[in-house]
Amino acid sequence: SQQGEEDPQALSIQEGENATMNCSYKTSINNLQWYRQNSGRGLVHLILIRSNEREKHSGRLRVTLDTSKKSSSLLITASRAADTASYFCAIPNSGGGADGLTFGKGTHLIIQP
Amino acid sequence: DSGVTQTPKHLITATGQRVTLRCSPRSGDLSVYWYQQSLDQGLQFLIQYYNGEERAKGNILERFSAQQFPDLHSELNLSSLELGDSALYFCASSSGTSAANGELFFGEGSRLTVL
Repeated sequence: SQQGEEDPQALSIQEGENATMNCSYKTSINNLQWYRQNSGRGLVHLILIRSNEREKHSGRLRVTLDTSKKSSSLLITASRAADTASYFCAIPNSGGGADGLTFGKGTHLIIQP
Repeated sequence: DSGVTQTPKHLITATGQRVTLRCSPRSGDLSVYWYQQSLDQGLQFLIQYYNGEERAKGNILERFSAQQFPDLHSELNLSSLELGDSALYFCASSSGTSAANGELFFGEGSRLTVL
């Protein structure tokens, strides 16, 4: 399976702290995406990082990609209560003629006020 | 607001029944993807359509089928429903043929409960 796996499954931190979540995958990829999902809502795209990029920033988000270790991390700096959500990494499907993205099971982030 | 519209938002039905979920993609997007999200399986890719043609299949059951119409809206048909089909069903759209090259825009989902 091409599924990415996020770690940790759940994370609870105080508002203002930084939150780091990780994603590991098994095969070669062209890019990796991160999405956020507020409880019971649709997923929202956060950032896409290509295989030739090592780091990418978007506002308070910092994503890294290490293709040699087949892993990515998402860092949210200066967390806010509104960052409480589940975060998913997504990687392109491969094999079997399937397209689309495969999502991990997500990291559930809780920001304590 | 992602621009992707899904109806109905909630649906409660009985085992053995058939339901149809509808999705209108973002204006101009040719690709539509269907995903199923449940607590035990996570987010599972079901099927993709591009400009009316089936492009890719994921973990879609034979009891499920989908189509994309000339106006680009899509429908997911679920038949002979079982308790285990209870889940959130998401539609997503993108402008290109491959989600691998760009972001997906997700609707708010249709929550199906099978009793």
